[in-house]
Formats: sequence, C-alpha cells, structure tokens
Amino acid sequence: GENVEQHPSTLSVQEGDSAVIKCTYSDSASNYFPWYKQELGKRPQLIIDIRSNVGEKKDQRIAVTLNKTAKHFSLHITETQPEDSAVYFCAASISFGNEKLTFGTGTRLTIIP
Amino acid sequence: NAGVTQTPKFQVLKTGQSMTLQCAQDMNHEYMSWYRQDPGMGLRLIHYSVGAGITDQGEVPNGYNVSRSTTEDFPLRLLSAAPSQTSVYFCASSYSERGAYEQYFGPGTRLTVT
Repeated sequence: GENVEQHPSTLSVQEGDSAVIKCTYSDSASNYFPWYKQELGKRPQLIIDIRSNVGEKKDQRIAVTLNKTAKHFSLHITETQPEDSAVYFCAASISFGNEKLTFGTGTRLTIIP
Repeated sequence: NAGVTQTPKFQVLKTGQSMTLQCAQDMNHEYMSWYRQDPGMGLRLIHYSVGAGITDQGEVPNGYNVSRSTTEDFPLRLLSAAPSQTSVYFCASSYSERGAYEQYFGPGTRLTVT
C-alpha cells in the first residue's frame, strides 16, 4: 500500500519568515495530494490540495509543489503569522473519491512572535 | 447543513466492552471513512465506504466493524474494546464532482479504554 513520509516533525520559525514542510510518497499511482491543518483539539481542515496533473498551486500565502518523478510534494507558507501555529498533515490518495487517504505523521509548526 | 456529525464526543470503556461510534452526514456524499488518530502517527484509515451497502477495510481494521445501510450514516462498532483502541476517532465524508474532492471531517470522538 501507499506510504507517506513527512519532515520535519517539528518546525519553529520567526513570525514573517517562511515555512516549508516536505512529504514523499511511495505509490506512483497516487494522484491527489491534500494538506490539512489541525489546531489543538479540533478536526483536520483542508487548506490546499493538488492533483497529479499540476506542478504547483498557490492560494494567498500558501502554496504546494509536486514533483511526480521524485514522488515528493511540499507545503510552503510565506509571511507566517501566529495563527499559522498548528499541526500540518500531508496525505496522498489513489482513489477517485478520496475515501482512502494515507496521511503523513504530521509537522508541529510553531510561529515565534 | 450540519456537515459531518459524530457522537459521542467522549467515551470511557472498560476492556471487553462493546460500543458503537455514530457518524452522520447531510451533504449526500457518496464516500465515507473512519480514521483513528494516535500521537505521532497521523491519521490511519480503519474502514471506508463508497456508497450505501458497500464497505471495505483500510489500514487498521482489526477489532472494528462497519455498515452503511443509508447514504447518511456510517457507524463504527468496537466489538471487544482493548486499551490499544484508546484513540481519537474521526469520521469523514467526501464527494467527487467537477474535479472537487475535498474530504470533510467530523469533530471526532475521544475514546479511552481502561
């Protein structure tokens, strides 16, 4: 089955700096790569996603890049703010309805004011 | 829309007891899934369903049963609770239309087995 590795497990950045979280996947058939943000005690919430026919996607301060050849994808957050502090999960799916997401182990991002 | 709802929010069980975690969605989504979240391990898929009457196993199905008699409901049954099943359980639903594939998560059920 699919295996997703995520690095780093913890990341601290100064407010205003950029943060990058990286994931690799094992199954070349995976075609959908979402990123979720989870605040303490809350449910995961989708922040951005990318499909395998696209190399990069941006939404305001967040962007995701995908390298299908190397089987890795990354989350980039620019101009970080205190409210960006949370745990971020990457995931991969080969299923049409995305009912079978395989998640990475998460990155705890702390923004230092 | 209420979205995805889960009950109960918290539950404490003794080893060997059984119970059902409830999950419902009012968005007419075809796909529903159950995940468990343990510290340092992300979310792991327990069971999933691609429509009423159709279920399949995920990565960690042992000790759990599911059924999908209606589009709206997808209960998760713990047959004989074990301390290893202490976790936070999330139900999720999703659809696939016009290229949109977002998976919506419920608020979670925190289960402790003593």
